Amino acid sequence: AQSVTQPDIHITVSEGASLELRCNYSYGATPYLFWYVQSPGQGLQLLLKYFSGDTLVQGIKGFEAEFKRSQSSFNLRKPSVHWSDAAEYFCAVGATGGGNKLTFGTGTQLKVEL
Amino acid sequence: EPEVTQTPSHQVTQMGQEVILRCVPISNHLYFYWYRQILGQKVEFLVSFYNNEISEKSEIFDDQFSVERPDGSNFTLKIRSTKLEDSAMYFCASIKMGRENEQFFGPGTRLTVL
Repeated sequence: AQSVTQPDIHITVSEGASLELRCNYSYGATPYLFWYVQSPGQGLQLLLKYFSGDTLVQGIKGFEAEFKRSQSSFNLRKPSVHWSDAAEYFCAVGATGGGNKLTFGTGTQLKVEL
Repeated sequence: EPEVTQTPSHQVTQMGQEVILRCVPISNHLYFYWYRQILGQKVEFLVSFYNNEISEKSEIFDDQFSVERPDGSNFTLKIRSTKLEDSAMYFCASIKMGRENEQFFGPGTRLTVL
């Protein structure tokens, strides 16, 4: 069964500092990997996704993530955090093949100090 | 840009009552999903729906739950007899064929069972 671990429940960074949110997945084949962001009271917005090809993927709002098969990781990074990035971030894994469910991690709550 | 919509945004009901949560997926999408998120917890898969039938469901999706696509545009989740533990945010999502697993999420319906 597929699973996702986000080891950091809360992270606090200063505005302008770099950010890395960790995500480890478990899946028997090549996974589809996603990062979603959720602002308070809002739905889930897709930041970026990895299906295949280049292991460094670029997303919206200046985020990027790197797929490392050897470490079963898909960490999210941003070189300079803005106060508006404060939100909850969810990593998710989807089975290869159409129509399959996403399995989410428990999320990382990001706080940005001004 | 097309988006998934959900109504109502907030539903309050008494324990034992039936509720119907409504979603309008993006018009050319073919797979539909319901997920739920209990306050402070991760997003959990409930059910996927394709070609007018359930393609996969989780253990959470018991006989109290049902889904329907009654008119070719709406996608509904019915809970027959709500329990306190059904209180959660319910998200609808949909996929466009050819973009497997890139799920677009609606803003959610917050269900409160009293």
